Amino acid sequence: SAVISQKPSRDICQRGTSLTIQCQVDSQVTMMFWYRQQPGQSLTLIATANQGSEATYESGFVIDKFPISRPNLTFSTLTVSNMSPEDSSIYLCSGSGGNSGELFFGEGSRLTVL
Amino acid sequence: QKEVEQNSGPLSVPEGAIASLNCTYSDRGSQSFFWYRQYSGKSPELIMSIYSNGDKEDGRFTAQLNKASQYVSLLIRDSQPSDSATYLCAVTMEYGNKLVFGAGTILRVKS
Repeated sequence: SAVISQKPSRDICQRGTSLTIQCQVDSQVTMMFWYRQQPGQSLTLIATANQGSEATYESGFVIDKFPISRPNLTFSTLTVSNMSPEDSSIYLCSGSGGNSGELFFGEGSRLTVL
Repeated sequence: QKEVEQNSGPLSVPEGAIASLNCTYSDRGSQSFFWYRQYSGKSPELIMSIYSNGDKEDGRFTAQLNKASQYVSLLIRDSQPSDSATYLCAVTMEYGNKLVFGAGTILRVKS
C-alpha cells in the first residue's frame, strides 16, 4: 500500500484564521484527493488535487474556502481559510495509484476551531 | 437517493459469530467496490476490494458483489473484539475516478 504522511496531526485554531495541511505521498500514488470527516459522519470528498493545475472541487466546496495546491506528483496542501467552528473536522489526504481504484489515507488532521 | 447506503447500526455480534455488513449503491455503472475499517480516532484502512460479481475471500473476510442488485456485502467470520470498528463501504462512481463512501456501519463484537 502507499505511504501517505500528513501534518499537522491536530491543531486548535481561532475563528477567522487559516490553516494549511501538508500531505506527502510515496511515488506509487498518481491521484490525490482531500476528504473531510465531520464528527460522527462519513467521509465527504472535498476535491481532487491535480498536479500543476487547479483542483477539481465537489459540489459545496469552493476554492476560496479550501485552496489546494499540488506542485508535484508527491506533495499537496489543503488550506482551510477563514475558519469557523463549523470547520472543526478531520481532514484526510488520500491517494491512489494504477487502475485498481484502491485509495489509501494519511493519518488525518484533526482541526478544532474555537 | 444517497449514492451509497449502509445501515448505521450498531450491529452487535458475539465473539466467534459471523458478522454480515451490507451496502447498496445507486450508480449501475460502478466498477470498483471497497470495504474500509475505521477504528475510533483513526483514519480508514482498506481491508477488501472487489471488482467482479461473486465472492472474494481474504482470511476471515469475504466480500460479495451482485451488480445486478447493486449490492455489496462483507462477511467477517469468527468475529473478534478487535473487529469492533466502523466499516465503510466505498464505490467508484462511473462518472469519475472518485470514491464515494457510505455512512458506515458500527460493528460491536462482544466477548
